[in-house]
Amino acid sequence: DVQMTQSPSYLSASVGDSVTISCRASESVVNYLNWFQQHPGKAPRLLIYAASSLQSGVPSRFRGSGSGTDFTLTISSLQLEDFATYYCQQSYFTPRTFGQGTKVEIK
Amino acid sequence: QVQLQQSGPGLVKPSETLSLTCSVSGGSISSFYWSWIRQSPGKGLEWIGYIYSSGSTNYNPSLQSRVSMSVDTSKNQFSLNLRSVIAADTAVYYCARGGLGVVVTASDAFDLWGQGTMVTVSS
Repeated sequence: DVQMTQSPSYLSASVGDSVTISCRASESVVNYLNWFQQHPGKAPRLLIYAASSLQSGVPSRFRGSGSGTDFTLTISSLQLEDFATYYCQQSYFTPRTFGQGTKVEIK
Repeated sequence: QVQLQQSGPGLVKPSETLSLTCSVSGGSISSFYWSWIRQSPGKGLEWIGYIYSSGSTNYNPSLQSRVSMSVDTSKNQFSLNLRSVIAADTAVYYCARGGLGVVVTASDAFDLWGQGTMVTVSS
């Protein structure tokens, strides 16, 4: 299986900060990389698909970039509702696999 | 808007079959891929497999021997069966739209999710 490794696993930040989450694939997934946000007790929410395409209704402060094995999710000007856990997921290989998650906490 | 509503038992005995159904409302099940994904503290998010509206399937090899999925286009719903369950199958199970490998649109990429069903495997 393709391993997806996110860093950091935990991130402490303040409202208004800009944060970056990294995701590395164990082999190239081209640009078939999606990002999700999950709040406790809720289903994941699609933020970014195909590495850099913003899902409808998602604020423009979320930006995805990268290709091959290295990807990033940047959240500019963190808002209260952005404190959550973020997951990357590759769709190029079967089985589809997810990263272990990055929890963004309030400082 | 399109919504997914899950149904099925929250408790399943070891060695029995876990069965869940996902009903699609507000839109057609046709011409989309539909997946099942589970989440447990120990294994994180794990893709179980997908079924296309035509009935073709693609399963996670780690579960392939125990999984089957079906679709009923007349009822606008799809289902998951996981046989011979063990304690390690305890998880929150989600249905979702998407699962296609070559993601071109959001609907290929898990853009809609059910509410989740906590399934506990225990006698």
